Amino acid sequence: DAGVIQSPRHEVTEMGQEVTLRCKPISGHNSLFWYRQTMMRGLELLIYFNNNVPIDDSGMPEDRFSAKMPNASFSTLKIQPSEPRDSAVYFCASSPAGTASNQPQHFGDGTRLSIL
Amino acid sequence: GDSVTQMEGPVTLSEEAFLTINCTYTATGYPSLFWYVQYPGEGLQLLLKATKADDKGSNKGFEATYRKETTSFHLEKGSVQVSDSAVYFCALSNAGNNRKLIWGLGTSLAVNP
Repeated sequence: DAGVIQSPRHEVTEMGQEVTLRCKPISGHNSLFWYRQTMMRGLELLIYFNNNVPIDDSGMPEDRFSAKMPNASFSTLKIQPSEPRDSAVYFCASSPAGTASNQPQHFGDGTRLSIL
Repeated sequence: GDSVTQMEGPVTLSEEAFLTINCTYTATGYPSLFWYVQYPGEGLQLLLKATKADDKGSNKGFEATYRKETTSFHLEKGSVQVSDSAVYFCALSNAGNNRKLIWGLGTSLAVNP
């Protein structure tokens, strides 16, 4: 079975450029999460969606970050304009429907983003 | 609010040594508890979980028991291998938080041959 698919795996770009990260969740999962991981701050939840609707975006660092989920099989995380401090590994995860508190999250392999 | 505290790493062990990584939590109600593992260059993978008090989760030789009286979910393995070298994350999920997981900071484990 296909897991969570993220693209690109690596992205290197210059500061000021727009960056778009993509995620395809596992089919049938109705919750989707975007995380950022850095050495300094560890794993941070940026935003999550239930049934394509954003539920909690309190972790989004600032207005330069935006996320969308136009349908159940696709989500994007956009940074515009990008800054060097945005360099991190960004993970997407999805979770199946069911009893809310006992469903695990399934992670993609991440996008390693470097802003020069 | 809910929180998870893990022992700080890095933890360095020799092959076949006994492993314990401590995890304690603060939560209202009856959360579900998880251990995830992250191998170098990869995303996090669910290692094991427990959904109610006294449940024991187990997988790949790892075990953890949900202890409500001590609010703990310590990860153990009797004999570690070099291939267990990874970062281990403890997490909880509570009905009041919807699907959101509350994460520990992670504990890095290095196993030497």
